[in-house]
Amino acid sequence: EVQLVESGGGLVQPGRSLRLSCAASGFTFDDYAMHWVRQAPGKGLEWVSGISWNSGSIGYADSVKGRFTISRDNAKNSLYLQMNSLRAEDTALYYCAKDIVSTMIVGDDAFDIWGQGTMVTVSS
Amino acid sequence: QLVLTQSPSASASLGASVKLTCTLSSGHSSYAIAWHQQQPEKGPRYLMKLNSDGSHSKGDGIPDRFSGSSSGAERYLTISSLQSEDEADYYCQTWGTGIQGVFGGGTKLTVL
Repeated sequence: EVQLVESGGGLVQPGRSLRLSCAASGFTFDDYAMHWVRQAPGKGLEWVSGISWNSGSIGYADSVKGRFTISRDNAKNSLYLQMNSLRAEDTALYYCAKDIVSTMIVGDDAFDIWGQGTMVTVSS
Repeated sequence: QLVLTQSPSASASLGASVKLTCTLSSGHSSYAIAWHQQQPEKGPRYLMKLNSDGSHSKGDGIPDRFSGSSSGAERYLTISSLQSEDEADYYCQTWGTGIQGVFGGGTKLTVL
């Protein structure tokens, strides 16, 4: 069964750090690009960051650029998101998502597998 | 700038059909998009990838009631024979230049 399982969420104070993990199974992890997508309470989906199969292509939403770092360990079938200098507006459910290709393609890309998410709450 | 525009809400009766729209911003009418469904209190589910020529490839297990079509910069998701479990939020998604993922604002579908 193809599966993505996120972990690492929790309650954290503003300015602190948190590291999210996503464990992949049921497919050849290093054949695909991967992404983090978040959803603030009552809001829509927001793409956060993406990484190609070999980490050669990495992108971030403007809202997290310079604070968040995406990485992957293909030997461990795992995706990570290091979140530093957290703000209240980072409070959201964070989803891991699998791409349909190995390197993101402009105008021809999709996310076809989603995890169930891990909640991050930034509050004092 | 790449933007995907969706109507905030739509409604249709049980057993009827509904057509949801996602509009690509100017200059991006050749882009493919993906449709995702998010039922209440659940994670998103991939429905299909929809190309500019209307061809589409659906995710595993997606019923034939879900279909896609395209016209210019518009991408459509049609759901026929509406069922109660189709009541959900529907998002379109694509990929832009500068290594950027983009989502539409989502359409909340109510089944009457």
